[in-house]
Amino acid sequence: NAGVTQTPKFQVLKTGQSMTLQCAQDMNHNSMYWYRQDPGMGLRLIYYSASEGTTDKGEVPNGYNVSRLNKREFSLRLESAAPSQTSVYFCASRQGTDSYEQYFGPGTRLTVT
Amino acid sequence: ELKVEQNPLFLSMQEGKNYTIYCNYSTTSDRLYWYRQDPGKSLESLFVLLSNGAVKQEGRLMASLDTKARLSTLHITAAVHDLSATYFCAVDITMDSNYQLIWGAGTKLIIKP
Repeated sequence: NAGVTQTPKFQVLKTGQSMTLQCAQDMNHNSMYWYRQDPGMGLRLIYYSASEGTTDKGEVPNGYNVSRLNKREFSLRLESAAPSQTSVYFCASRQGTDSYEQYFGPGTRLTVT
Repeated sequence: ELKVEQNPLFLSMQEGKNYTIYCNYSTTSDRLYWYRQDPGKSLESLFVLLSNGAVKQEGRLMASLDTKARLSTLHITAAVHDLSATYFCAVDITMDSNYQLIWGAGTKLIIKP
């Protein structure tokens, strides 16, 4: 099993450009999450999808949108990138929000210049 | 305010020594997780602690949970270089009927030969 996969692995954007980060899981999990990781700050939740067809804001949703395309796929879109969005982005999944550990993808390292 | 605080945030130690990382959290929860992250890599689940008094051990690492004190510890016994990594604790809390993880800032552990 591939687990959680993310594309791309690296991306450089100019301020104002847009892009979509893709995430897919093959574990038949219901819940999926997008986090950003900045140095010294742990992980902060951007958006999550408790189940197919639902999405909710997390701690830091401004500047982002998400789409739960189907049970497997959960994408994160930056409509107009800003330097403050330079970060490492992780997608994660778990069986359900009342299940236990989350499983993480390899991450996308994004730089906005 | 929801907080998960780890200390220390940075720890440099010699091989063979013992040490403990602490994780305090500010809200009621009986679900706590420890993850490991190697530089440039994703997060790997180490321990899932689900009740007061829970203790889990894997090799030289042992984690415990005291829900009354809102405290978890990760104890390292006779450290070896391979344990060098950043360790995160995360607490599951209920928001809008869904569980979300709140993360500590991480403890960067360097073990010198």
